[in-house]
Amino acid sequence: DAGITQSPRHKVTETGTPVTLRCHQTENHRYMYWYRQDPGHGLRLIHYSYGVKDTDKGEVSDGYSVSRSKTEDFLLTLESATSSQTSVYFCAISESPGGRDGYTFGSGTRLTVV
Amino acid sequence: GENVEQHPSTLSVQEGDSAVIKCTYSDSASNYFPWYKQELGKRPQLIIDIRSNVGEKKDQRIAVTLNKTAKHFSLHITETQPEDSAVYFCAATPSGGGADGLTFGKGTHLIIQP
Repeated sequence: DAGITQSPRHKVTETGTPVTLRCHQTENHRYMYWYRQDPGHGLRLIHYSYGVKDTDKGEVSDGYSVSRSKTEDFLLTLESATSSQTSVYFCAISESPGGRDGYTFGSGTRLTVV
Repeated sequence: GENVEQHPSTLSVQEGDSAVIKCTYSDSASNYFPWYKQELGKRPQLIIDIRSNVGEKKDQRIAVTLNKTAKHFSLHITETQPEDSAVYFCAATPSGGGADGLTFGKGTHLIIQP
């Protein structure tokens, strides 16, 4: 398949609880990204990673943190979930910096915060 | 940072007709412009891309054109078919040549009318 998997695929959580989404790749790509997709907003970058333990903020990073302890795993944590974080979350990987040879996306995680 | 504007937000065409989606970008340093297709409930997938040293690129029924002077690029789909119905996203590389991720337009919902 695409060499990138996200888990869970669906999650419903309560306001104020912490939530962790996982992205796992088998392609050994250096660059990994977390985006959120919302109607009318397209895909917006939350955080990205350019190597193990090397991460940085994207456009909409408030309320989110990330960790990358291994090349293959990139975790996104919502520290205290809010209803505004209800969204579809996509992980992407690329061989080149800035996705200059294109991304491969995961299948997405649909998160609902109630 | 980079800003990408995409028009129209919805496009309805008759099967067999052509469809054109347009994007503009703000950072003259951007040099890679991919297009992604996302079918309902699926992940975005790269369908074609163009680099700033090329003015046009074709792949069967799809083509992309780039005007660096005007900072706009377009996706052209000819002889549209029902399976072309999807949301299409344009994107541009980040400014500064760093590792941060692609900036996406807000998407165009293409509807192919039978």
